[in-house]
Amino acid sequence: ETGVTQTPRHLVMGMTNKKSLKCEQHLGHNAMYWYKQSAKKPLELMFVYNFKEQTENNSVPSRFSPECPNSSHLFLHLHTLQPEDSALYLCASSQAGGGGSDTQYFGPGTRLTVL
Amino acid sequence: GQNIDQPTEMTATEGAIVQINCTYQTSGFNGLFWYQQHAGEAPTFLSYNVLDGLEEKGRFSSFLSRSKGYSYLLLKELQMKDSASYLCAVKDSNYQLIWGAGTKLIIKP
Repeated sequence: ETGVTQTPRHLVMGMTNKKSLKCEQHLGHNAMYWYKQSAKKPLELMFVYNFKEQTENNSVPSRFSPECPNSSHLFLHLHTLQPEDSALYLCASSQAGGGGSDTQYFGPGTRLTVL
Repeated sequence: GQNIDQPTEMTATEGAIVQINCTYQTSGFNGLFWYQQHAGEAPTFLSYNVLDGLEEKGRFSSFLSRSKGYSYLLLKELQMKDSASYLCAVKDSNYQLIWGAGTKLIIKP
């Protein structure tokens, strides 16, 4: 039981397509995160939003564009992706964006395949 | 650089006990997390340690030694449903989570 939902669960797109990933949290949290998970690699933090403000952008290519209209919703807009961008994209939320015990809760992810 | 090390894969028998180790080298320390992730599913929070010692939660326990940069997750009375990947993550001095690559645990009957 995570309280974080993501759609779509699976996405196949060509390199010239534009698509968006959606995340919604029902936990009343104030921070939201996008991660990339590739096989046998550590989770890579992409973006962090605290109270709708972007506070972290870990040198992510501009073909990934986040949007956070409110504390409950987070989007990741995709355009002109490369095959190496194929991965599981995870969304997470936490009560407040920091603090030692502030725990992140994850959605099930979107499995993205770029052809 | 910052680094989290954990074994890539482990195998254990149903009903037995398994210990998954995690060693870390980070700039500062503000707590260590363990998550469980079944294939194709969300990582789910298991435990958080910030002080040295053992924290027990039912069949799962987590241990931390800050002086050694070491933690382990202990799973008792293993069940088939425990087959999953176990992720270790440390919060550094900037309160950013540094992740290990995960340990895939295979349970055999």
